[in-house]
Amino acid sequence: SYELTQQPSVSVSPGQTARITCSGHTLPKQYAYWYHQRPGQAPVLVIYKDSERPSGIPERFSGSSSGTTVTLTISGVQAEDEADYYCQSADSSGTYRVFGGGTKLTVL
Amino acid sequence: EVQLVESGGGLVQPGGSLRLSCAASGFTLSGYEMNWVRQAPGKGLEWVSYISSGGTTIHYADSVKGRFTISRDNAKNSLYLQMNSLRAEDTAIYYCAREATGDGGFDYWGQGTLVTVSS
Repeated sequence: SYELTQQPSVSVSPGQTARITCSGHTLPKQYAYWYHQRPGQAPVLVIYKDSERPSGIPERFSGSSSGTTVTLTISGVQAEDEADYYCQSADSSGTYRVFGGGTKLTVL
Repeated sequence: EVQLVESGGGLVQPGGSLRLSCAASGFTLSGYEMNWVRQAPGKGLEWVSYISSGGTTIHYADSVKGRFTISRDNAKNSLYLQMNSLRAEDTAIYYCAREATGDGGFDYWGQGTLVTVSS
């Protein structure tokens, strides 16, 4: 089965930049999406189609893609950004959706 | 306002069955592809199943294939997940999620319904 790989955790101080990566061999061909999830809440889409930001998502959230890796960047991290972050994409045929294992962002 | 509200979760014994429902409001369900996504306690997100807007195309994760059935009733603005032969590892919060038209990704999620498989 197809997998997306994320680092388990990232820690940054308020105001710093957090970078969360996601790797998968079909990422050059399939778009990536990013979600954040606070404890006890449903996930929220923060980036779609690698680098687009939905309305209502702060400008400090950005996405980029390079080869088999996509990156979610949070500039000027705020305490409210502390959450679990998941990447999501699809297999090469676009049939099976898949999530990365998640990255816990801790704001020190 | 777009809303997705899941129901039907609960405690079921291994080998049992359960049917989840997802009531959609604030948009026309027939215009959107829909998915079920689950999250085991303390674990990450796992995609479960997909259904096209008209219900003609359906996909399942390998972990549930042959046991779960996704369906929809656009006239009732509802999505369903019939779960049979349930196992302990199916214990999770089950979310219904709308797939954004053209852009992909899950742009709206319900709050989830908890399914616990235990004797």
